[in-house]
Amino acid sequence: KNQVEQSPQSLIILEGKNCTLQCNYTVSPFSNLRWYKQDTGRGPVSLTIMTFSENTKSNGRYTATLDADTKQSSLHITASQLSDSASYICVVAGGSYIPTFGRGTSLIVHP
Amino acid sequence: DAGVTQSPTHLIKTRGQHVTLRCSPISGHKSVSWYQQVLGQGPQFIFQYYEKEERGRGNFPDRFSARQFPNYSSELNVNALLLGDSALYLCASSLGGSSGNTIYFGEGSWLTVV
Repeated sequence: KNQVEQSPQSLIILEGKNCTLQCNYTVSPFSNLRWYKQDTGRGPVSLTIMTFSENTKSNGRYTATLDADTKQSSLHITASQLSDSASYICVVAGGSYIPTFGRGTSLIVHP
Repeated sequence: DAGVTQSPTHLIKTRGQHVTLRCSPISGHKSVSWYQQVLGQGPQFIFQYYEKEERGRGNFPDRFSARQFPNYSSELNVNALLLGDSALYLCASSLGGSSGNTIYFGEGSWLTVV
């Protein structure tokens, strides 16, 4: 069964600090992995997308890594801002038409 | 260019009623998917349509149905509403039907069943 597990479930950090969110998946075959940011009450917005051959992808202060061998990905946020407070969702696409979603990590950035 | 648009944005229904949610994809996108997101959880896949045909269906009861129109817009219908159907319903569109296509989400329709 295809699954995507994210950790931690929630995280609280101080503004300006860095943090790393984790995503482990069992989706097979693997096509790509995406990270989405979802502000409260809004639709998810794509941050990064990585295919099998890509190890790292950056989008401003967001850097995603992928280890296709261990089926793990991480999202690193540098110099966090209050606007980074949101839910971060890992989505893995495989051979089927339907991508598999993680439950998300809720990040709260305090001033 | 307009993104994925959904309507209504918020609605309240009574148990047993029926609801129709609407979605217009990004211009040129032929695939539309529907997701249910309960508070505190990730989106759960309901349906995917591509070129007006159902491509996939998630683990939802037959009370849930959908269709895609010739202009690629879509409707999600839910009959005999239950309290547990209260959620954010997200519509997403993509260029094609492949799981490798980037998915663009709308802002969602908040459904509250009382």
